[in-house]
Amino acid sequence: KNQVEQSPQSLIILEGKNCTLQCNYTVSPFSNLRWYKQDTGRGPVSLTIMTFSENTKSNGRYTATLDADTKQSSLHITASQLSDSASYICVVGGGSQGNLIFGKGTKLSVKP
Amino acid sequence: GAGVSQSPRYKVAKRGQDVALRCDPISGHVSLFWYQQALGQGPEFLTYFQNEAQLDKSGLPSDRFFAERPEGSVSTLKIQRTQQEDSAVYLCASSLQGFGRSGNTIYFGEGSWLTVV
Repeated sequence: KNQVEQSPQSLIILEGKNCTLQCNYTVSPFSNLRWYKQDTGRGPVSLTIMTFSENTKSNGRYTATLDADTKQSSLHITASQLSDSASYICVVGGGSQGNLIFGKGTKLSVKP
Repeated sequence: GAGVSQSPRYKVAKRGQDVALRCDPISGHVSLFWYQQALGQGPEFLTYFQNEAQLDKSGLPSDRFFAERPEGSVSTLKIQRTQQEDSAVYLCASSLQGFGRSGNTIYFGEGSWLTVV
């Protein structure tokens, strides 16, 4: 079954600290992996997209990594800011119908 | 427009009432998607259009759910005889082309929050 699992479910960090969010997937065939940021009450906003041949992609303070062999991805946030408080959703494109399969997200809270 | 626009943003419906949710995708975007997001969960796929053709509706939970995109631009998601379990955020998304397999960015609207009472 095509699944995307994220950990931790929630995370609280202090402003200025770094953090890493994890994503494991069992989607086959694999096409691409995306990280989205979703603020409460808003739609998801794309942070990064990686295809099979890419193993890292950065967007400002956000850096995503992909290990297609172990089917794992991580999202690293550097020097966190209060505005980083949101849910971060890992999305894998692929499967037999080329669908997007969403993880349940990691809820990040950045405290002052 | 500049982004994906959805309306209404909030809708309270009485159980058994029919609702219609509208999505205006980014101009020129070929692909349009509808997702359902329950509280605290990730979005779940409902249906996908390429232009006016509905290529995949495997995620629609029941025959009370119907989506259309007659002219290949604006789309409407209709829910008939709403039930309490239909309460969720309904997200519309669009992309220039492709569906999952390609690396195209998929842009989401802010969602329509449906509460069935």
